[in-house]
Amino acid sequence: KAGVTQTPRYLIKTRGQQVTLSCSPISGHRSVSWYQQTPGQGLQFLFEYFSETQRNKGNFPGRFSGRQFSNSRSEMNVSTLELGDSALYLCASSLAGTGTNTEAFFGQGTRLTVV
Amino acid sequence: GEDVEQSLFLSVREGDSSVINCTYTDSSSTYLYWYKQEPGAGLQLLTYIFSNMDMKQDQRLTVLLNKKDKHLSLRIADTQTGDSAIYFCAETGAGSYQLTFGKGTKLSVIP
Repeated sequence: KAGVTQTPRYLIKTRGQQVTLSCSPISGHRSVSWYQQTPGQGLQFLFEYFSETQRNKGNFPGRFSGRQFSNSRSEMNVSTLELGDSALYLCASSLAGTGTNTEAFFGQGTRLTVV
Repeated sequence: GEDVEQSLFLSVREGDSSVINCTYTDSSSTYLYWYKQEPGAGLQLLTYIFSNMDMKQDQRLTVLLNKKDKHLSLRIADTQTGDSAIYFCAETGAGSYQLTFGKGTKLSVIP
């Protein structure tokens, strides 16, 4: 079966712009979560959605937002981009969410570079 | 906040066993995971263990959990050059819906 698909794979944006990243989970999975990976901070949790509802949110400013659609696909948006937002953004999909008896599978990520 | 610690580097010879260690602080952790990340790639789930288990074996991989000491280890038997990657330990608590990751251990396999 198809894995987790993230688009685009690479993105270059200018400071002050906004960006939208997309994640299509594995078919049948209803939980999608997002993580930011940087060399300095490592992997940090952004937010998690299940059946279009945000169930948990990490410690990121309000410029970072997300949503989930009825087909479980999810998008995350970053407004007013800063240089420090340059990172690999990873999406994870699972049946019911991490912390339940299900595995979480990650996509290849979107590499965002802010210049 | 809760924390997950790993050593940053490990170097082993091809054919030897590798042991990657991890400690965590959250006493309510219910699931503990090991992920592998190769250069330019996302995270590949290797295995996970429920907190009421002491050990889990899956082919060349053995996971040991000492819940009292909050210590998790991943043993890779007969390590191959293809095992060279960064290995992340992660934990999650029941109902938290988020993974807390360590900084990752870079495994280098010497031919």
